[in-house]
Amino acid sequence: QVQLVESGGGVVQPGGSLTLSCAASGFTFTTYGMHWVRQAPGKGLEWVAFIRFDGSDKYYADSVKGRFTVSRDNSKNTLYLQMNSLRTEDTAVYYCAKDSASYSGSVHYFDYWGQGIQFTVSS
Amino acid sequence: IVMTQSPATLSVSPGDGATLSCRASQYVSINLAWYQQKPGQAPRLLIYGASTRATNIPTRFSGSGSGTEFTLSISSLQSEDFAVYYCQQYNNWPPYTFGQGTKVEIK
Repeated sequence: QVQLVESGGGVVQPGGSLTLSCAASGFTFTTYGMHWVRQAPGKGLEWVAFIRFDGSDKYYADSVKGRFTVSRDNSKNTLYLQMNSLRTEDTAVYYCAKDSASYSGSVHYFDYWGQGIQFTVSS
Repeated sequence: IVMTQSPATLSVSPGDGATLSCRASQYVSINLAWYQQKPGQAPRLLIYGASTRATNIPTRFSGSGSGTEFTLSISSLQSEDFAVYYCQQYNNWPPYTFGQGTKVEIK
């Protein structure tokens, strides 16, 4: 079955950096796009970033553009989110999510989610 | 595209039905998904394409609508259905946008 396991969370000071990872299994990782979605404490869901199956295209929410970088290593079935210039408002649970569309399909909802990883920006 | 869900909270007795609404600020066709989230858990896909149930989703969950107005209906609520429900549009992206959520609580 599909499994997505995030790691790398913790506490970071404002202005700092951190990289989250998401290990995928149970599906052909190399053929699906992947997303990061976050949820601030007590708040709703916010889409953060999307990377196509082959890493050829990447898309970001305005709130993280220029600070976060999504990448993937298809040889390791792993998704990454490198976060720089961190702000207190980046504090959230971060979920990786599998895109519904294989290859360059155009229908994008999130059909499987990881359990989430907590990440706090605080001095 | 801004997604607006109503009501924010819905109080329902077990066994009763519930109707949740989601409105898009622009036309999204049927490119609309619904997710369920329980406390401390990741969201789970319920409905995609506005009305297609995801794998293993019980038939008491149904979605309808197109364009800008959508509804998630839950017939005969079970204890495990009390949760927060989010709609999400994927017609115009980026960004993919979610509604603010509707909490279905026990009356």
